[in-house]
Amino acid sequence: AQKITQTQPGMFVQEKEAVTLDCTYDTSDPSYGLFWYKQPSSGEMIFLIYQGSYDQQNATEGRYSLNFQKARKSANLVISASQLGDSAMYFCAMRDWGGSQGNLIFGKGTKLSVKP
Amino acid sequence: GAVVSQHPSWVICKSGTSVKIECRSLDFQATTMFWYRQFPKQSLMLMATSNEGSKATYEQGVEKDKFLINHASLTLSTLTVTSAHPEDSSFYICSARGAGVGYEQYFGPGTRLTVT
Repeated sequence: AQKITQTQPGMFVQEKEAVTLDCTYDTSDPSYGLFWYKQPSSGEMIFLIYQGSYDQQNATEGRYSLNFQKARKSANLVISASQLGDSAMYFCAMRDWGGSQGNLIFGKGTKLSVKP
Repeated sequence: GAVVSQHPSWVICKSGTSVKIECRSLDFQATTMFWYRQFPKQSLMLMATSNEGSKATYEQGVEKDKFLINHASLTLSTLTVTSAHPEDSSFYICSARGAGVGYEQYFGPGTRLTVT
């Protein structure tokens, strides 16, 4: 069974500094996709970044980058130059393309707090 | 990016009544829609997956007779919570994936249900 593990319930970072949110995954399927979502207090899920299992390079989207280490089965999110608006819950998720529906499986999340 | 709307954004109902939540894809055809449930400070748990024109596939432990899902068109899915009880109070989030939007899964803003 597929599984996503986020071991950091909460993280603090100083404004303008970089922060890494950890995510490890487990799957036996060679084809999968990894996602990071941000959920502010309003509840909406905001897509941040995607990494495919066959992608050769680490994904980047603006201040977000994904440190993909396939052998270690980790997909950590790096946020550079943190801003106060980055304070939110962050969820790592995986889609197993081998599944018929391609459902997203979510980790428990990490609450990021950015300090001024 | 693609937009998914949910209505209502919040609802309060009395125990024993039924509540319908609508999920619409506004600018793409959603061939697959997902319904999630999120309790406070917890992750998203998939309740069911529906494909347009066919019956929903429910996750283990989710009562199909209590949570009725209809995916009647490529832009609309509804979740009806029948005979609601206080323990059904939660944040319900729909998500859609479909033609023309690639691998991404777009989330609605969520509906906060409170059963009194």
